[in-house]
Amino acid sequence: DVKVTQSSRYLVKRTGEKVFLECVQDMDHENMFWYRQDPGLGLRLIYFSYDVKMKEKGDIPEGYSVSREKKERFSLILESASTNQTSMYLCASTSDRRTYNEQFFGPGTRLTVL
Amino acid sequence: DAKTTQPPSMDCAEGRAANLPCNHSTISGNEYVYWYRQIHSQGPQYIIHGLKNNETNEMASLIITEDRKSSTLILPHATLRDTAVYYCIVRGWNSGNTPLVFGKGTRLSVIA
Repeated sequence: DVKVTQSSRYLVKRTGEKVFLECVQDMDHENMFWYRQDPGLGLRLIYFSYDVKMKEKGDIPEGYSVSREKKERFSLILESASTNQTSMYLCASTSDRRTYNEQFFGPGTRLTVL
Repeated sequence: DAKTTQPPSMDCAEGRAANLPCNHSTISGNEYVYWYRQIHSQGPQYIIHGLKNNETNEMASLIITEDRKSSTLILPHATLRDTAVYYCIVRGWNSGNTPLVFGKGTRLSVIA
């Protein structure tokens, strides 16, 4: 079974703090994604990576950065957290190089920025 | 990607088959039908996908009509743990790095 794990289920941070969200997958997938999910807005793609040290911006990259130093690990960084970054953050991975359609998701991190 | 239409909610008795419909009348020839579900407070979970033939795996069966304009996801023996929001997504081979669009889905409640 593919396993995608995220470092925290719940996280509370203060405005201006630097926040690290970690994602690890154990199936040797090349492609990894970070989404945020908000009520009424569905899933929105923040960044994705198709290889180690490679990254591509998604639809809403502003305020975020990512790091992929190892194939199994994809980190999302909030350089200076703001209240509008309060959200559910979901990491996903896939080995499907052509379409990225069959994605395996982690359990999510619910981040609250005060 | 083609638009999909699903009923907002459905109930199913535990142990019975749950049949979740999806309309995708504008589907094009190179687009697949994917089903995901999201259990409360968890990440989405891939279930199954198909092009034009019926498909079955350990989780569910997918029945696609001959004209491909609609499909039905079947959970043969629903359990309480199948209570979730089910999403029907249509995507083509050229979807590339575009995000998965989940829409509103169908909220399935399995009742004891």
